[in-house]
Amino acid sequence: ELKVEQNPLFLSMQEGKNYTIYCNYSTTSDRLYWYRQDPGKSLESLFVLLSNGAVKQEGRLMASLDTKARLSTLHITAAVHDLSATYFCAVDITYDKVIFGPGTSLSVIP
Amino acid sequence: SQTIHQWPATLVQPVGSPLSLECTVEGTSNPNLYWYRQAAGRGLQLLFYSVGIGQISSEVPQNLSASRPQDRQFILSSKKLLLSDSGFYLCAWSWQETQYFGPGTRLLVL
Repeated sequence: ELKVEQNPLFLSMQEGKNYTIYCNYSTTSDRLYWYRQDPGKSLESLFVLLSNGAVKQEGRLMASLDTKARLSTLHITAAVHDLSATYFCAVDITYDKVIFGPGTSLSVIP
Repeated sequence: SQTIHQWPATLVQPVGSPLSLECTVEGTSNPNLYWYRQAAGRGLQLLFYSVGIGQISSEVPQNLSASRPQDRQFILSSKKLLLSDSGFYLCAWSWQETQYFGPGTRLLVL
């Protein structure tokens, strides 16, 4: 059974600090996604990682994928309050099916 | 540009009543379509996906069903709602390795 795990599930960090969210998955996949969800809202696509070693950056967020380790990371640099949200990783196990992790609830405090 | 609509936005229904949630996509043809459910404070659970008209794959056994009567229309239904059906229902479509989510329907079963 495919499992997608995220660590940590809850994260409170101070503005200006750096931190990394980890996403582990249990089956072979070379396609992984990161999404952001604000409270009460739908999901917004952040990154699509399509191959081993892929790295993408947007503003203060950087995502990477290691398909051999079945691990993706979402690194936050110099956090700001606007980054407070829940972040989901999702693994594409076939073209038709994407399985989501449980989410990491991030709170950035002044 | 492509857009995805869901309605209603919010719904309060008694236990045992029927359900019909609608999702439509504009600006594309033959999209892959998905229904997800998100329980309060939880991750996303894939319920159904469809690769074409009349083609539905179910991911979890439950009292929900899905139909795709038209290319860009995806409907989630139930004959009798359970308390456990409460949640945030998200429709999504996929294009170029990314899933795009609709605004969601918040369902409360009392």
